[in-house]
Amino acid sequence: SAVISQKPSRDICQRGTSLTIQCQVDSQVTMMFWYRQQPGQSLTLIATANQGSEATYESGFVIDKFPISRPNLTFSTLTVSNMSPEDSSIYLCSVVVAEETQYFGPGTRLLVL
Amino acid sequence: GDSVTQMEGPVTLSEEAFLTINCTYTATGYPSLFWYVQYPGEGLQLLLKATKADDKGSNKGFEATYRKETTSFHLEKGSVQVSDSAVYFCALSDNNRKLIWGLGTSLAVNP
Repeated sequence: SAVISQKPSRDICQRGTSLTIQCQVDSQVTMMFWYRQQPGQSLTLIATANQGSEATYESGFVIDKFPISRPNLTFSTLTVSNMSPEDSSIYLCSVVVAEETQYFGPGTRLLVL
Repeated sequence: GDSVTQMEGPVTLSEEAFLTINCTYTATGYPSLFWYVQYPGEGLQLLLKATKADDKGSNKGFEATYRKETTSFHLEKGSVQVSDSAVYFCALSDNNRKLIWGLGTSLAVNP
């Protein structure tokens, strides 16, 4: 398995501002993902964070809104830019370890006012 | 494309009742199948998994068998406890290791 930490655990932000979420893993992993989980709903994949290259975004998500960095195999950041109340959600990072199993961080709870 | 269909909730049971949460999938190829659980106010935890047909995943009294013939991966537990109250998500891993998720099933177990 993997131990994953995220910072911050929660935040309340004003609309129009940006928040950067950090994801730290206790071991080197090749594949890392960022998800969004809106209240009472399932998870939606935002992007695959690629080490050393640009992230791969899913349909409906763009780099200008959700820039991602992946400077090494243990760390990644997701920025939620120019926030609006619709961005209020839980943001989770996950990593793939053995046998295609994904492990998740504890999540960052974001409320945009 | 690949998809996961999960039994709608909420499901409400009494303690010690038998639990089944249905999950069926459509996929090209041979995906791995997972059940994740999210306890109130907590993050997602892997509950169990199966990587090939006829595999049975089990953990904490929960079981699910990968049925290729019926494209199903139903979650079962013989005797639920109040502490099992949570949201359960069925998921499959596609060829790119992305997870395709069901919508989640909320379970409430009453004492």
